[in-house]
Amino acid sequence: DAGVTQSPTHLIKTRGQHVTLRCSPISGHKSVSWYQQVLGQGPQFIFQYYEKEERGRGNFPDRFSARQFPNYSSELNVNALLLGDSALYLCASSGKETQYFGPGTRLLVL
Amino acid sequence: RKEVEQDPGPFNVPEGATVAFNCTYSNSASQSFFWYRQDCRKEPKLLMSVYSSGNEDGRFTAQLNRASQYISLLIRDSKLSDSATYLCVGQIYEGKFQFGAGTQVVVTP
Repeated sequence: DAGVTQSPTHLIKTRGQHVTLRCSPISGHKSVSWYQQVLGQGPQFIFQYYEKEERGRGNFPDRFSARQFPNYSSELNVNALLLGDSALYLCASSGKETQYFGPGTRLLVL
Repeated sequence: RKEVEQDPGPFNVPEGATVAFNCTYSNSASQSFFWYRQDCRKEPKLLMSVYSSGNEDGRFTAQLNRASQYISLLIRDSKLSDSATYLCVGQIYEGKFQFGAGTQVVVTP
């Protein structure tokens, strides 16, 4: 069984640009969550989607948006990138007991 | 105040020794707790769930104290491969986790 997959693995952008990150959950999982992890910190919750609807949102500005598709894959969009958006973006797929993380997308904003 | 707080370490542990560390949480709505392990530049991976009755998985023992709102992890007979950052995690509901900043453990030969 494939685990959680994310693309791209690495990305370099400049300030003001926008970015789209993609995630495919574990087969059978209907919930996808997004987290941002900056160096030296634990992951911070951005969004959760369940059955294509937003179920939860963390303390992030409106520049961050997401959606979930009928096949349960998800996209995270970030507009008007700032230097501080440089981080590891993790997607997690939820089963009954816990979450399983993808390898992440490492975003660098210059 | 952070909702999940951990001692960042590093805890420098000789190979074969025992190391233990805690985390505290402030959100009493947290339903379940976990320890995740994160290696440098990798994603977090589930180490174990944490139960009030205490649970053991090989050399790892976890404990939850709801009255005092802390979680502990003990690693016995430390191996070099145990070197990692250990993340304390509270589950608010399915799909939403609150993470601590992690405790770094360095096992030395």
